[in-house]
Amino acid sequence: GQNIDQPTEMTATEGAIVQINCTYQTSGFNGLFWYQQHAGEAPTFLSYNVLDGLEEKGRFSSFLSRSKGYSYLLLKELQMKDSASYLCAVKDSNYQLIWGAGTKLIIKP
Amino acid sequence: IAGITQAPTSQILAAGRRMTLRCTQDMRHNAMYWYRQDLGLGLRLIHYSNTAGTTGKGEVPDGYSVSRANTDDFPLTLASAVPSQTSVYFCASSDSYFGQENTGELFFGEGSRLTVL
Repeated sequence: GQNIDQPTEMTATEGAIVQINCTYQTSGFNGLFWYQQHAGEAPTFLSYNVLDGLEEKGRFSSFLSRSKGYSYLLLKELQMKDSASYLCAVKDSNYQLIWGAGTKLIIKP
Repeated sequence: IAGITQAPTSQILAAGRRMTLRCTQDMRHNAMYWYRQDLGLGLRLIHYSNTAGTTGKGEVPDGYSVSRANTDDFPLTLASAVPSQTSVYFCASSDSYFGQENTGELFFGEGSRLTVL
C-alpha cells in the first residue's frame, strides 16, 4: 500500500531551527509537496520538490531524496506564527496525491 | 477576493438528513476536489472533477455525490447523513488535474465543519 510517515508533533523554541521529516512509500513518484495549515484554517502551499536536492525559499527549505523516499522541511529563525501543522503529500505515478497525517509544530517562547 | 468560497462554514444536522456543501472558485481552474480531514488521518479525497461536465470518485466516495455543471461551482451532497460523516470538508482547485501539466499546487477553501448527530 501507499504510505506517508511524518512525526505527529514536534516542539521547538522561538528563534531556533527545526527539521520536519517525511518518508514515503508510493507507487511511483511525480513530486512532493509541503503545505502549512494553521489550526482551523485551510492548508496553504509551501514548497514542491520533484528533483533531488534542496529548495530554499526564505526561512523555509525543503529537501528531497528520491532514492531514499525521504524529504524534510527546514524552518529557520522560528517565529510564533510558525506554530501550525505541516502536511507532506506525494504525487504518485497516477498523479494522485497521497497525504501524510501532518506534523503539529508547537513553538515556545 | 480571488480564491475558493465554501458554505456553510459550520453545520450540525441530524442523521438521515440531506445536506449540500457549496464550493465556488473564481480562478478559472479546470480541476476541483473535495477532501475530508479527520484527526490523525491525512486528507482523503472524496470526489474530483478534471473539468466542467466530468466527475470522478476518489478514495472515500461512498455516501457522497458531486456535480460540475460549470467551471466555478462544485457542490458536494450527502444524500442521507450518518455520524461517520462528521468531519471537516475542504474544497480545493488546481490549474490541471493533480498537476499533470504543471506542479499542481492546490488552492483550498476555508473548510466546512460538519457534525452529524
